[in-house]
Amino acid sequence: ETGVTQTPRHLVMGMTNKKSLKCEQHLGHNAMYWYKQSAKKPLELMFVYSLEERVENNSVPSRFSPECPNSSHLFLHLHTLQPEDSALYLCASSQDQAKRDEKLFFGSGTQLSVL
Amino acid sequence: SQQGEEDPQALSIQEGENATMNCSYKTSINNLQWYRQNSGRGLVHLILIRSNEREKHSGRLRVTLDTSKKSSSLLITASRAADTASYFCATGSAGANSKLTFGKGITLSVRP
Repeated sequence: ETGVTQTPRHLVMGMTNKKSLKCEQHLGHNAMYWYKQSAKKPLELMFVYSLEERVENNSVPSRFSPECPNSSHLFLHLHTLQPEDSALYLCASSQDQAKRDEKLFFGSGTQLSVL
Repeated sequence: SQQGEEDPQALSIQEGENATMNCSYKTSINNLQWYRQNSGRGLVHLILIRSNEREKHSGRLRVTLDTSKKSSSLLITASRAADTASYFCATGSAGANSKLTFGKGITLSVRP
């Protein structure tokens, strides 16, 4: 295991639902990330948190709302999603976001289907 | 964009053969990393090579980096069925605020 745990593993939701994805890292890292992985596309960086502060938000629609209550936990709150939001959502952590040569440790992802 | 682009998109080989995967990028980098992803799982870091390095080894993995051609290759020797996965290159940007940018990945199938 990588030390990064994501729940749930699978999620099916309607466009009017509200749900949350959870990520927890047990590595003592200071930075956490949300990525979106769609078929045949590069991984898309959505949000970056360093020491619980959001340091990057890559033009993500407001229907995705991140929350980082402490350096070990990261949430992605979802509401009024669209079918094109269906994808694998990956959480990752690294020791220090500002350093070079940072390696990312990924969770297994949440496979999201929006109906 | 300095996004890495992997080549080929898919590769199928027989167990025991070597697998070579390539990655090209467009702008200056600080480092280049390779990750593996098994079906339905997250990405796992394999190896990192810095911009001032030309070659690195880790077990059956060999990575080369040619900054003049802006390209890297990942060689897996004596492949096994368990090597079947998707492989991604990720480039770490040069400069103060380094970012890691991933390519679309290569699907490797190793036939037993």
